[in-house]
Amino acid sequence: AQKITQTQPGMFVQEKEAVTLDCTYDTSDPSYGLFWYKQPSSGEMIFLIYQGSYDQQNATEGRYSLNFQKARKSANLVISASQLGDSAMYFCAMREGETSGTYKYIFGTGTRLKVLA
Amino acid sequence: EAGVTQSPTHLIKTRGQQATLRCSPISGHTSVYWYQQALGLGLQFLLWYDEGEERNRGNFPPRFSGRQFPNYSSELNVNALELEDSALYLCASSLVGDDGNTIYFGEGSWLTVV
Repeated sequence: AQKITQTQPGMFVQEKEAVTLDCTYDTSDPSYGLFWYKQPSSGEMIFLIYQGSYDQQNATEGRYSLNFQKARKSANLVISASQLGDSAMYFCAMREGETSGTYKYIFGTGTRLKVLA
Repeated sequence: EAGVTQSPTHLIKTRGQQATLRCSPISGHTSVYWYQQALGLGLQFLLWYDEGEERNRGNFPPRFSGRQFPNYSSELNVNALELEDSALYLCASSLVGDDGNTIYFGEGSWLTVV
């Protein structure tokens, strides 16, 4: 079973509009972390935002915010005021094993976002 | 502060040869992770090293191996290269126990097997 599911293989958004990239996860660990990474065509992976499972408030970093709904096990990324440079592949990731100290990172299959001028 | 650095940026090898990829983590980070991203596929976990020891290994054949040095840098070795090994190999580092344990990626090494 997939532990990280990104159901949108591709998304389009008009420049300056907001877009939500979906991510659902599955874990039995009581303590875990959720991450979003951006991968431009150059291949590098850029860390965007982090949410801890015990964090009460949704994480925000500039134009990025993470809509964390623990009961639904979802961690959607919201990008506000999209820019052309936001066109990239976006990966959702989960770190589990925090309780046992094994620290395992699991990545989703990614969503390709294209921002239209 | 320097980020995760990887070398070489691009590498072309012929089938059957060996490839060695190198990674230097962010200063102070003790954990190094290796991932393979083949064309059209997501990230596949290869290896995790921490404090010089292999902590976890992904579902890859034994010809994928690596090590971590005392300075926490790491090498990934791929023996008996096959065409399907052509991929972007990403290295990442983190500080286990750090708040968030965020992993930071290098720019990757593109391996082409011909």
